Amino acid sequence: DMKVTQMPRYLIKRMGENVLLECGQDMSHETMYWYRQDPGLGLQLIYISYDVDSNSEGDIPKGYRVSRKKREHFSLILDSAKTNQTSVYFCASSPGTYYEQYFGPGTRLTVL
Amino acid sequence: QQQVRQSPQSLTVWEGETAILNCSYEDSTFNYFPWYQQFPGEGPALLISIRSVSDKKEDGRFTIFFNKREKKLSLHITDSQPGDSATYFCAASTTGGNNKLTFGQGTVLSVIP
Repeated sequence: DMKVTQMPRYLIKRMGENVLLECGQDMSHETMYWYRQDPGLGLQLIYISYDVDSNSEGDIPKGYRVSRKKREHFSLILDSAKTNQTSVYFCASSPGTYYEQYFGPGTRLTVL
Repeated sequence: QQQVRQSPQSLTVWEGETAILNCSYEDSTFNYFPWYQQFPGEGPALLISIRSVSDKKEDGRFTIFFNKREKKLSLHITDSQPGDSATYFCAASTTGGNNKLTFGQGTVLSVIP
């Protein structure tokens, strides 16, 4: 069963704290993504990873960084979180262009 | 600048009616257009997709109509069911586009029994 998992599902942090969001996939997909979803804005791409240690900025990378040390695992890091980073974050994986992106269930992050 | 635009933002139809969701795009190099369906509390999931070499793609009650000249496409959901109530995202990508999808802002569909 093809699956993308995300941990944690819910997270509350204070402004200035560091945040680590984890994503895993069991499909051996090369490409993985991090998006954020805000009301009325759809899904905005933060970072894309083409394979281990091969990461590229998306449309809104400022304030975020990523790490991919294993093909099945992709992390999103917020150093010193800000209140405007309150959002729902989705991880996805894909075999490539023209192929389906498989999304995880999301992490709802609140930064107070 | 919003590369992919969707309208309406929200749509309410009665059960059994046809729901029509619209999408337009700016970048003429876009040649792959998937539609994703998202239920509350879940991640989006691929519903149906079309490539720019086709002008129509059908899958059961879901049909995409594509007009390359006008850079527009629409998703028709016939015989709408309450279970179709969800947010629908139009997305676009291009060959050699580094595997990136550009998403529209979504249309929230409500189907009333």
